[in-house]
Amino acid sequence: TQLLEQSPQFLSIQEGENLTVYCNSSSVFSSLQWYRQEPGEGPVLLVTVVTGGEVKKLKRLTFQFGDARKDSSLHITAAQPGDTGLYLCAGEWGGADGLTFGKGTHLIIQP
Amino acid sequence: NAGVTQTPKFQVLKTGQSMTLQCAQDMNHNSMYWYRQDPGMGLRLIYYSASEGTTDKGEVPNGYNVSRLNKREFSLRLESAAPSQTSVYFCASKLQTSRAFFGQGTRLTVV
Repeated sequence: TQLLEQSPQFLSIQEGENLTVYCNSSSVFSSLQWYRQEPGEGPVLLVTVVTGGEVKKLKRLTFQFGDARKDSSLHITAAQPGDTGLYLCAGEWGGADGLTFGKGTHLIIQP
Repeated sequence: NAGVTQTPKFQVLKTGQSMTLQCAQDMNHNSMYWYRQDPGMGLRLIYYSASEGTTDKGEVPNGYNVSRLNKREFSLRLESAAPSQTSVYFCASKLQTSRAFFGQGTRLTVV
């Protein structure tokens, strides 16, 4: 299996600040997916990036896939309390049959 | 429109007991997965099945067995439960290069 390193593990910031979460690996992935998980629920997909260098935006969230398809980042602009949650990156491999998750980033946005 | 259904939702076992976690999906997905989620460890892949009749080990397979009974169902068995297997277990399914759909999770406590 492939391994994904996600950082930071915990992040607590004030409302209105910007933040970036990183997802890194020594392995190449078919695609990189970002999920958000609420307490007591399973993860729910935010976005998938497939092409090296690809950038996708989802309102205040910007996702980028590294040129070599080994890393990705999630940038949140002007964070809001509603952004609080566990953010997980996941890489597809093995012909997109395998799906490996990072350890997650616990994000708290304080009003 | 059930998606991925996991049973049971909660379970308490005594050390040495056995049990099977059931998972079924109604989306005609080829790939199915079993993960465990522990604090600070993210989602770790236990086993996955890329298609009916095939199963492969993930990152943490020791102490578990799986069966891909048919395209819909993928079960996880603990033959002799240990306290280290106390965790939240998630089943997921997906098609190649698509998002993963997760069940609600099974909270297992081994005492």
